[in-house]
Amino acid sequence: QVQLVESGGGVVQPGRSLRLSCAASGFTFSSYAMHWVRQAPGKGLEWVAVISYDGSNKYYADSVRGRFTISRDTSKNTLYLQMNSLRAEDTAVYFCAREDGEYGYNWFDPWGQGTQVTVSS
Amino acid sequence: DIQMTQSPSSLSASVGDRVTITCRASQSISSYLNWYQQKPGKAPKLLIYAASNLQSGVPSRFSGSGSGTDFTLTVNSLQPEDFATYYCQQSYSTPLFTFGPGTTVDIK
Repeated sequence: QVQLVESGGGVVQPGRSLRLSCAASGFTFSSYAMHWVRQAPGKGLEWVAVISYDGSNKYYADSVRGRFTISRDTSKNTLYLQMNSLRAEDTAVYFCAREDGEYGYNWFDPWGQGTQVTVSS
Repeated sequence: DIQMTQSPSSLSASVGDRVTITCRASQSISSYLNWYQQKPGKAPKLLIYAASNLQSGVPSRFSGSGSGTDFTLTVNSLQPEDFATYYCQQSYSTPLFTFGPGTTVDIK
């Protein structure tokens, strides 16, 4: 079945780096744009970044641009989020999601289970 | 940037009630509007796409309507498992997506 599994979360000090991974299975990974979405404790969903199906286009939320880098490895069916210069406000559960759609409409389905990132000294 | 708002931010309802949640966009987004359900500690789940299309496997008591700037999610005959937070999402500005702030439905 279609599945996304995140990993790589943990506790990290402010200013340090962390790389998240999202392993995809059950579908042709190279055919879909992929997204990262985060959710701070007790807060709503915040879109973070997107990478096109072929990796040629990447877009970021203003809050992470210049610090985070999204990438993908088609040979490993894996999506990544490299997070540098981490701040306390980056503390959140990070979800990866597949962008699906038809007739010009797009949505996120499925989502991974999420991985917790805590930035604290 | 397109901003999304939702009302109410929370509500309490009884099993069997009809519940309506509203989502408003800061500009017209045609029918580029999705709805998700999120239960505590879980990932969001797609309910409705393109404003009114029910995702496969989602109970028919869920429905969506609207276009332009105003949208609604309706849950007919609320069930105990519908306790959750509901988010709208605009996909008009693809690849940049925006979520609404969420509406928490509490079961009385």
